[in-house]
Amino acid sequence: DQQVKQNSPSLSVQEGRISILNCDYTNSMFDYFLWYKKYPAEGPTFLISISSIKDKNEDGRFTVFLNKSAKHLSLHIVPSQPGDSAVYFCAASNGAGTALIFGKGTTLSVSS
Amino acid sequence: GAGVSQSPSNKVTEKGKDVELRCDPISGHTALYWYRQSLGQGLEFLIYFQGNSAPDKSGLPSDRFSAERTGGSVSTLTIQRTQQEDSAVYLCASSYRGETQYFGPGTRLLVL
Repeated sequence: DQQVKQNSPSLSVQEGRISILNCDYTNSMFDYFLWYKKYPAEGPTFLISISSIKDKNEDGRFTVFLNKSAKHLSLHIVPSQPGDSAVYFCAASNGAGTALIFGKGTTLSVSS
Repeated sequence: GAGVSQSPSNKVTEKGKDVELRCDPISGHTALYWYRQSLGQGLEFLIYFQGNSAPDKSGLPSDRFSAERTGGSVSTLTIQRTQQEDSAVYLCASSYRGETQYFGPGTRLLVL
């Protein structure tokens, strides 16, 4: 049973527009959430994280929103750039240092 | 400084053979994690080392899998009597005291 779900396998966006990637989780004990970006033949690269005590965290073009009551988080990329085209993974943990539980990823394609 | 490194980058083996995969974490990082990504799937946790504590082996799929971490640094993941379903990308990550995990490029294992 998947504890972290990314229900959209793919997303296509035009350059300059907003990309919104979604993630749902089932385990209410999760208290730390991360987004990773992955290019082919490379390891995942950390993008941004959020603790369960917050509902928003922003870093440049990337913003993560957390809705604990809905067990939902989203990653917003504004403006989207062609170099953002990659697979994005949502991950969660129930304590610092514990194993991350990953979703299956969403492939983002940004066209120019 | 250098990131997480893994070797070999690719490994092709015959069913029934043993394989060893190596991970060099970021210098000074106390925690080390192994994950694997099978085709079309998210990352699956395998095992986690934190300092001198006993490792968390809860993700290992069978007793054919084992891992050790020597001197609190380099780690080796061993798969005995490999099966075709072991084919995957094996990813290593490290973190400083349980903070953000940083991933290596992975080892692509193909069992024929």
